[in-house]
Amino acid sequence: DVKVTQSSRYLVKRTGEKVFLECVQDMDHENMFWYRQDPGLGLRLIYFSYDVKMKEKGDIPEGYSVSREKKERFSLILESASTNQTSMYLCASRTPRIPTEAFFGQGTRLTVV
Amino acid sequence: AQTVTQSQPEMSVQEAETVTLSCTYDTSESDYYLFWYKQPPSRQMILVIRQEAYKQQNATENRFSVNFQKAAKSFSLKISDSQLGDAAMYFCAYKEGTSYDKVIFGPGTSLSVIP
Repeated sequence: DVKVTQSSRYLVKRTGEKVFLECVQDMDHENMFWYRQDPGLGLRLIYFSYDVKMKEKGDIPEGYSVSREKKERFSLILESASTNQTSMYLCASRTPRIPTEAFFGQGTRLTVV
Repeated sequence: AQTVTQSQPEMSVQEAETVTLSCTYDTSESDYYLFWYKQPPSRQMILVIRQEAYKQQNATENRFSVNFQKAAKSFSLKISDSQLGDAAMYFCAYKEGTSYDKVIFGPGTSLSVIP
């Protein structure tokens, strides 16, 4: 059974804190993604990675950075958390062979106070 | 830029009845893929159905089928014999065939199933 695991389901952080969201997949997928999900806006792509140490900005990268040191792990970093980063964060992975689906983690609901 | 629109923020359906969720998209490409994803309260996103733009035949998966109208850029999802477990957020998504991997999601439709 394929699996994408996010390190936390719920997280509460203070404004200004550095926040790490971790995602691990066990499917040997090349591509990994971080999305942000907000009501009425659907999923918006923050960053994606198509290989180890490779990254590309998505639609809303401001205030975020990512790290991919190993194929199975993709981390999202909030350098200085702000209240407008309170949201649901979803990690996904897929192989680049078309037209496979993306596999999602269970999401991390982050609240910044 | 490509966009995906779901004009129904919320819908409800009686158990065992049929419901159709709407999706329209905007693109100038001819090679692309369309998806419907389901997100139940557990938050785990699951692929429901996929359609390749070059295929004229509408995709079906058990009780789920799509009505793909390429010229109208419409991709609706029909759920037949609705079950309580179908209650979820449904997202329509678009992927350009030649893009590295960027998938664009619509805002979602929240489906309630009434017993």
